[in-house]
Amino acid sequence: AQSVTQLGSHVSVSEGALVLLRCNYSSSVPPYLFWYVQYPNQGLQLLLKYTSAATLVKGINGFEAEFKKSETSFHLTKPSAHMSDAAEYFCAVSDPGTGFQKLVFGTGTRLLVSP
Amino acid sequence: DVKVTQSSRYLVKRTGEKVFLECVQDMDHENMFWYRQDPGLGLRLIYFSYDVKMKEKGDIPEGYSVSREKKERFSLILESASTNQTSMYLCASSPPDRAGQPQHFGDGTRLSIL
Repeated sequence: AQSVTQLGSHVSVSEGALVLLRCNYSSSVPPYLFWYVQYPNQGLQLLLKYTSAATLVKGINGFEAEFKKSETSFHLTKPSAHMSDAAEYFCAVSDPGTGFQKLVFGTGTRLLVSP
Repeated sequence: DVKVTQSSRYLVKRTGEKVFLECVQDMDHENMFWYRQDPGLGLRLIYFSYDVKMKEKGDIPEGYSVSREKKERFSLILESASTNQTSMYLCASSPPDRAGQPQHFGDGTRLSIL
């Protein structure tokens, strides 16, 4: 079964600092991977996705993620945090057992940005 | 843009009531999903549907049922609401049969069972 591990339920950074949110996955086949963001009282919004093209994926709002097969990781980064980045972030992997229709989500990481 | 609309943002019901949560999408997507979101647990799949009148159980279907009579609409039903079903419920949709297609989410329904 697929699984996703997000290290750290909370990450705190200062405005302007590097953001690094960690995601490790387990998958029996090459995966499709996603990062979503959730702002307070809203649904999930797609940040970026990896679908076996380039290993470095650029998303919205200046975020990017690098797929590393040898480390089974898909960490999310942003060079310089902004106050508006404060939100909860979810990593997800497609489940090949359902023809990749289902997603398996991590438990989320809440990003706190201080001035 | 894909629009997934959940009928209520906030809902308060009593234990034992039958509760209906409605979700409509406007992109002609075959796949639709219902999740519940709880702090520290992330999103857990309740049910999903890959076609009209088709449904499959997710990871936590107990106490829930679903209905998909039309392609654009996917309803979640709490047969007899209990306090442990107090949660945020999220609906999503996606196109079929193409790996790597993301799911598109509604804004969620925060349900309180008293």
